[in-house]
Amino acid sequence: AQTVTQSQPEMSVQEAETVTLSCTYDTSESDYYLFWYKQPPSRQMILVIRQEAYKQQNATENRFSVNFQKAAKSFSLKISDSQLGDAAMYFCAYRPIYNTDKLIFGTGTRLQVFP
Amino acid sequence: DVKVTQSSRYLVKRTGEKVFLECVQDMDHENMFWYRQDPGLGLRLIYFSYDVKMKEKGDIPEGYSVSREKKERFSLILESASTNQTSMYLCASSLARATEAFFGQGTRLTVV
Repeated sequence: AQTVTQSQPEMSVQEAETVTLSCTYDTSESDYYLFWYKQPPSRQMILVIRQEAYKQQNATENRFSVNFQKAAKSFSLKISDSQLGDAAMYFCAYRPIYNTDKLIFGTGTRLQVFP
Repeated sequence: DVKVTQSSRYLVKRTGEKVFLECVQDMDHENMFWYRQDPGLGLRLIYFSYDVKMKEKGDIPEGYSVSREKKERFSLILESASTNQTSMYLCASSLARATEAFFGQGTRLTVV
């Protein structure tokens, strides 16, 4: 069975600094998608960034980038120039490309941003 | 914009009651999901539906059932609510083989 592990229950960062959130996963599939979702206090889940496993290039969306290490099954999120609005729960998620559209989540990392 | 609407934001029910959580999406998505969110446990998949009247069990289906009679609506049913089902419930939808799921705002259910 596929699993997603986030080993950091909480992280904190100073405004304007950089922070990295960790995620590892376990799968026997060779093709899949990986995601980072953000859940602010409003509870609305928002997609931050996605990565296709067949692409070697790391995905980037403005201040958000990933470090995707397929062999190590590692998928970390880097937030640059952190802003107060980045404070939220961050969830790593996995979805295989074939056979099923099930989306599997990790346990989440709560990010605090200090002024 | 895609909209996923959950019928209640907060709900309080008594032990033993039959509880219906409703979710409606307006984008003709094939897939719909019900998750349960608990502190330290993340989002755990309860049930997944990939078409009308089609469903798959997730990781924690015990004590729950689902109904999908129409494409836009996916209901989660607690046949006999128990206190250990007190939680946040999130509904999501996506197109088949799509790379993004869209979420509702969650229902915080308290069973007393």
